Amino acid sequence: SQTIHQWPATLVQPVGSPLSLECTVEGTSNPNLYWYRQAAGRGLQLLFYSVGIGQISSEVPQNLSASRPQDRQFILSSKKLLLSDSGFYLCAWTKDFSYEQYFGPGTRLTVT
Amino acid sequence: AQTVTQSQPEMSVQEAETVTLSCTYDTSESNYYLFWYKQPPSRQMILVIRQEAYKQQNATENRFSVNFQKAAKSFSLKISDSQLGDTAMYFCAFVSLFGNEKLTFGTGTRLTIIP
Repeated sequence: SQTIHQWPATLVQPVGSPLSLECTVEGTSNPNLYWYRQAAGRGLQLLFYSVGIGQISSEVPQNLSASRPQDRQFILSSKKLLLSDSGFYLCAWTKDFSYEQYFGPGTRLTVT
Repeated sequence: AQTVTQSQPEMSVQEAETVTLSCTYDTSESNYYLFWYKQPPSRQMILVIRQEAYKQQNATENRFSVNFQKAAKSFSLKISDSQLGDTAMYFCAFVSLFGNEKLTFGTGTRLTIIP
């Protein structure tokens, strides 16, 4: 069966520091991968999606970037965090044309 | 662009009762899927149910069922015999079958089951 992992689970970082969040999927190959952000009490905002290694599409221009160095690995990064980057970050995957997205456990990021 | 609207920010219901969560959407497309996701206090998003737009029959998963009204662009979720574990945020979501499988989410309904 397929599983999706995210780490770290929680992170507290000062403004201006770098960020690296990792997401990996097991039990499948060539998944579509997604990064979402959820502000407190709000819905999900799609940040990036990837249909293959090295293929990244950005939905919202901002302080963040994403990379996909391996088939089942998706990384969310920032060179300098802003206070507004605080939130809950969710990674999701889907198999081509299945349209069902399955989510990881999420990372709670607090920028201080 | 598609939009998904959930007009009930919060709801509460007694345990064992039935509750219906509302969702409307706006799209010019004819081929799409609709989903309900549940986000419990742990905050992991869990897929509850899926409805294909081309199917007239409403989807059902155990105690969860939907009322899909394509012409009205309405997609409500009914939870029967509600349980304490149903307490969560519920999100309605839309995906077009022509595109890159990006989900458009509503803003969510916070459901509380009262013992």
